[in-house]
Amino acid sequence: GNSVTQMEGPVTLSEEAFLTINCTYTATGYPSLFWYVQYPGEGLQLLLKATKADDKGSNKGFEATYRKETTSFHLEKGSVQVSDSAVYFCALSDQGGSGGSNYKLTFGKGTLLTVNP
Amino acid sequence: DAGITQSPRHKVTETGTPVTLRCHQTENHRYMYWYRQDPGHGLRLIHYSYGVKDTDKGEVSDGYSVSRSKTEDFLLTLESATSSQTSVYFCAISEHDNLQHFGDGTRLSIL
Repeated sequence: GNSVTQMEGPVTLSEEAFLTINCTYTATGYPSLFWYVQYPGEGLQLLLKATKADDKGSNKGFEATYRKETTSFHLEKGSVQVSDSAVYFCALSDQGGSGGSNYKLTFGKGTLLTVNP
Repeated sequence: DAGITQSPRHKVTETGTPVTLRCHQTENHRYMYWYRQDPGHGLRLIHYSYGVKDTDKGEVSDGYSVSRSKTEDFLLTLESATSSQTSVYFCAISEHDNLQHFGDGTRLSIL
């Protein structure tokens, strides 16, 4: 079946530091890949996505490139801010199946990022 | 923000009691999902729905049932709550693509 493995952290950085959160996946088909962010006390929000190999998703200074050859989708940001402190989830979507299973998401365990001033 | 309302937002109950969580959407999206979030596990799919009265199991469906009698409402029921079902529950919706929008969650404690 599908699976997602990501750095579990926690990750603690100083403001303006470079961020990388590693994510690798296992899938039988050609999944779409996502990064979601969860701020304290809130639900998950889509941060960025990529739907095919070599696509780069980007949003709010974050980037991730869909690497089929290494089955990876690492999240990066060149200069983090205190407001980026949150839990980050890597996820993939199931592209196959019948009924409503086409859009099921499989999540990694999440990475807690804390950015200190 | 996508129009998703989860109720209640917090609940404390006792082992063995029935519990129903409600997810209400105003987006008229076809697909609805229930996840649970636990430390060290990320989010895991409990059940999902692909239309009115059309539901299917996710990876952690034991002990849970769902119903969807209207497009806008997706109910999650714990018939006899156990302490292992203490968790944060999230509802999500999507339309004809794989872009899911999440509610703010329900924190459920079972004593």
